[in-house]
Amino acid sequence: EVQLVESGGGLVQPGGSLRLSCAASGFTFINYAMSWVRQAPGKGLEWVSAVSGSGESTWFAESVKGRFTISRDNSKNTLYLQMNSLRAEDTAVYYCAKGSSAVRPYFFDYWGQGTLVTVSS
Amino acid sequence: EIVLTQSPGTLSLSPGERATLSCRASQSVSSSYLAWYQQKPGQAPGLLIYGASSRATGIPDRFSGSGSGTDFTLTISRLEPEDFAVYYCQEYGTSRTFGQGTKVEI
Repeated sequence: EVQLVESGGGLVQPGGSLRLSCAASGFTFINYAMSWVRQAPGKGLEWVSAVSGSGESTWFAESVKGRFTISRDNSKNTLYLQMNSLRAEDTAVYYCAKGSSAVRPYFFDYWGQGTLVTVSS
Repeated sequence: EIVLTQSPGTLSLSPGERATLSCRASQSVSSSYLAWYQQKPGQAPGLLIYGASSRATGIPDRFSGSGSGTDFTLTISRLEPEDFAVYYCQEYGTSRTFGQGTKVEI
């Protein structure tokens, strides 16, 4: 059974940093691209970032480019999102999502339950 | 970047009725790289349809997807109580963008 469990969310001040983690199980982690998708309170889904199966290639939404870094540790089956220079508009539930293949194009066939990030003073 | 526009914003229906949800793209979606997701309150999204018309594993056949190019449709043939939720379309060939969602409510 595929499982994705996010952690690391919480309350952080504007300008601060936070690192999210997503522990994956139930599939061969290195064989699939992974993404982060966020959802602001009461709003729709926004794709944030993606990383290829090997970890060599990464992509970012314009709204987070230069502030967020995505990485993965295939030996630990874990995905990360390092978030720096956080803003109030980054407040959202952050979901870890499994891609349907290692490289594009892929849809998101499994999702974690999400972790809430609140940016506020 | 491809922009997806979903309509209507809210669909008010009763159990047993047919639901038709629309997703229109600002430019042609290559090879029908269009997916649909369902999100129930307080839950993560879940995959319903990929490749515009292929049902994901375990999805009942009352859910069907159709369309190509710039116009796509998700149809729920007979609404069950558990189908009242928000539905999102996503283009995954180039930009990974989501539509703004359609809420199906009782």
